[in-house]
Amino acid sequence: GENVEQHPSTLSVQEGDSAVIKCTYSDSASNYFPWYKQELGKGPQLIIDIRSNVGEKKDQRIAVTLNKTAKHFSLHITETQPEDSAVYFCAASPTGTASKLTFGTGTRLQVTL
Amino acid sequence: SAVISQKPSRDICQRGTSLTIQCQVDSQVTMMFWYRQQPGQSLTLIATANQGSEATYESGFVIDKFPISRPNLTFSTLTVSNMSPEDSSIYLCSVQTGRNTEAFFGQGTRLTVV
Repeated sequence: GENVEQHPSTLSVQEGDSAVIKCTYSDSASNYFPWYKQELGKGPQLIIDIRSNVGEKKDQRIAVTLNKTAKHFSLHITETQPEDSAVYFCAASPTGTASKLTFGTGTRLQVTL
Repeated sequence: SAVISQKPSRDICQRGTSLTIQCQVDSQVTMMFWYRQQPGQSLTLIATANQGSEATYESGFVIDKFPISRPNLTFSTLTVSNMSPEDSSIYLCSVQTGRNTEAFFGQGTRLTVV
């Protein structure tokens, strides 16, 4: 089955700096890659996703890049704000949709003032 | 979007007992899923809840331990049976409103087995 590795497990940045979280996956059939933000006591919330037919996608301060050859994808958050502090999960699915997701191990992002 | 209500939000249960978790969605959805998130860890898919038929379980999860019902397009239940302390986790309901749409998650049920 699919295996998704995520690094780093914790990340501390100063407000205004950029944050980068990286994931690698094992199943070359995976073709849908969402990123979720989970705040304390809440369920994960989708922040951005990418499908395997594109290499990059951007939404305001958030961007995701995908390298299918190397089987890795990354989340980039620019101009970080304290409200970006949360746990971020990457995931992968071979179905092209959000079904049968395999999640990474999570990154706890702390944005300090 | 979809608004998902999970009940209970948390519970403390005795080992050997069972707990049924409810997931109610404010609109009809095509897919419903159940995930487990062990303390401080990632999410693991337990099963896909199928309307009117048996759920589809992932490797390592069995129907006898995690029976699932989905009587209609807006409601599903997950039962954690014969609980042990190792079952202490957050259980999350997730839905897709359409085939190619994102997955929405409920707030989770925090289960502690003592």
